[in-house]
This record gives sequence, C-alpha cells and structure tokens, in this order.
Amino acid sequence: RKEVEQDPGPFNVPEGATVAFNCTYSNSASQSFFWYRQDCRKEPKLLMSVYSSGNEDGRFTAQLNRASQYISLLIRDSKLSDSATYLCVVYRSGGSYIPTFGRGTSLIVHP
Amino acid sequence: GAVVSQHPSWVICKSGTSVKIECRSLDFQATTMFWYRQFPKQSLMLMATSNEGSKATYEQGVEKDKFLINHASLTLSTLTVTSAHPEDSSFYICSASFLGSEQYFGPGTRLTVT
Repeated sequence: RKEVEQDPGPFNVPEGATVAFNCTYSNSASQSFFWYRQDCRKEPKLLMSVYSSGNEDGRFTAQLNRASQYISLLIRDSKLSDSATYLCVVYRSGGSYIPTFGRGTSLIVHP
Repeated sequence: GAVVSQHPSWVICKSGTSVKIECRSLDFQATTMFWYRQFPKQSLMLMATSNEGSKATYEQGVEKDKFLINHASLTLSTLTVTSAHPEDSSFYICSASFLGSEQYFGPGTRLTVT
C-alpha cells in the first residue's frame, strides 16, 4: 500500500458544484497534514493545513479522520479558477518532519 | 508568504554534461531545504532533504553521487545533476522551511537532456 494515496481523477464538475476529495495515508503515527494546489507546470502552493477539529477557509473545508486514516477537502461553489491538481501532504512522525506527497487529484471546473 | 527562488528556470543540456540548480530563500533563513523531482502527470517525489551545514539525506533509490546537494548557507542550496542523461529530464523543485514550519516552494527548474 502506498504511503499516501489519492484518486487521480480527473473530477469534471460544472461551476457552482460542490466537490470533495479524499486522501488516505498508511502511517498511523503521521502528525501533520496539508492540502496544496498545483497548477500545470507550476510549483505547489499551500492551500490549507488540516487540523483534527477540521478547518474552513471560505469555500474550502478540510477534515482529518484519524481513525480511518484519511483527510478530505471539500470545495463549495466551484469556480473556473479552482481547476488545478490538489495534492495532499502527510508528514512522517518522529521529529524528522519529512513530507510525503500524494500523486494529486485533478479538478476541472467547466462553465 | 516567504519567497523561494530557483535558477535557472529551464535548462537544456547535452547528455554527459553536469547541470547545477540553485535554490535560494530570499526573505527567511531556511534550516531545511528539500529537493523534489516531478515527471509529467506524476506526483512530486522527494529526492533528498538537506540541513544547513550537514550532508544531505537521500531518499531510497536516489543516487547521491549523481545528484550532489550542497547546503552551505541558510539561504542557498544547490543540486548538481552529474553526467546527465535523457532519463534525468524532469521538473526539479526545491522547497525551504524554517525549523519544521510549512514549506515554501521554488518555481521549479525544467531540465531537458538531449
């Protein structure tokens, strides 16, 4: 089983739709979780951190389920500009703070 | 947010030559820098982690003699691809962090080996 797994998609949704992605991780001792956004041929940019209590930033909501070992990202009222690849990042435990990236989920928002 | 630069942004070289890529943190001191490689439609693959003043830690399967990493100061790390071959053609991205905080990514370097 891969350390971090994501459905590569693509998720093809109309503007205004709500879409959700999941990311599963295999190491139960993983400590920190993030969602990054990567546009084609660009570097990843931090979208949001993922906290145990869940967190929301405008149209974006991230949640962590430690029992089932997955994190999720919910995007409401999708915009054309949300089209990108969304990467989940899980940090290994033990103080080394080494990140592992999922392969990303591609989102295409169409008019 | 913090700014990380990479140079060059793209490079074309002949097989057998070496290429050096620089990664700089412009407005903060990066205690740790990470080097990634990304092939088309693939995820970022961590190649190595480097802490200032110490040897880089390479991920399994990454040849340390082929990918030389130097992190001589808190603002500069370099990756040298030695004796490059066409299969080394990829998008190389660095990131920098301060004491385990979030990573800030450079814009990447697209390497093409002919």
